[in-house]
Amino acid sequence: EADIYQTPRYLVIGTGKKITLECSQTMGHDKMYWYQQDPGMELHLIHYSYGVNSTEKGDLSSESTVSRIRTEHFPLTLESARPSHTSQYLCASDDIKGGEAFFGQGTRLTVV
Amino acid sequence: KNQVEQSPQSLIILEGKNCTLQCNYTVSPFSNLRWYKQDTGRGPVSLTIMTFSENTKSNGRYTATLDADTKQSSLHITASQLSDSASYICVVSDRGSTLGRLYFGRGTQLTVWP
Repeated sequence: EADIYQTPRYLVIGTGKKITLECSQTMGHDKMYWYQQDPGMELHLIHYSYGVNSTEKGDLSSESTVSRIRTEHFPLTLESARPSHTSQYLCASDDIKGGEAFFGQGTRLTVV
Repeated sequence: KNQVEQSPQSLIILEGKNCTLQCNYTVSPFSNLRWYKQDTGRGPVSLTIMTFSENTKSNGRYTATLDADTKQSSLHITASQLSDSASYICVVSDRGSTLGRLYFGRGTQLTVWP
């Protein structure tokens, strides 16, 4: 079983609130990713990191921000949540050699 | 443009039957191709990963094939079980940079009926 964890699993929050989705992995992977996935749709890359202090925006425009202060930790922050942010957010990691990518269980976010 | 196309979009089969899911890609340069299984509301779980030189790889009742010349892959599920009901996602990794990146298909939603 993959050692990558996301919290919370489910979150319902009001419009305008600031939230942080947590993602941690204990595999020592340098590469980490955040994906957004709507029901029945493909995963869209919103942020990625190649290592500590490295963060890049992905293909899908997102109002979220990320940080990578430690190798094992890659939190995603929404400064002001909106209903359009309602979605599932998946965190993943893999090693530099491009081997298997491991996914967390996801955070289902609902903004009301 | 790097793309991954999967077919069919959805599939319903009876328990015990076999099925084959298709994946066509245009990702270049190619590094590897992965098949993932994603249960509803969960994160994807890896089934197989194949590099350029591998034509087939099995994982229990799952067998993946890869034709790197035609840029096609298939996932064959044998003797389906109710627990196979899930979305199956084809993911292709490029090596356009030293670090590569992943391209996802939309998935095939498989439903197995008793």
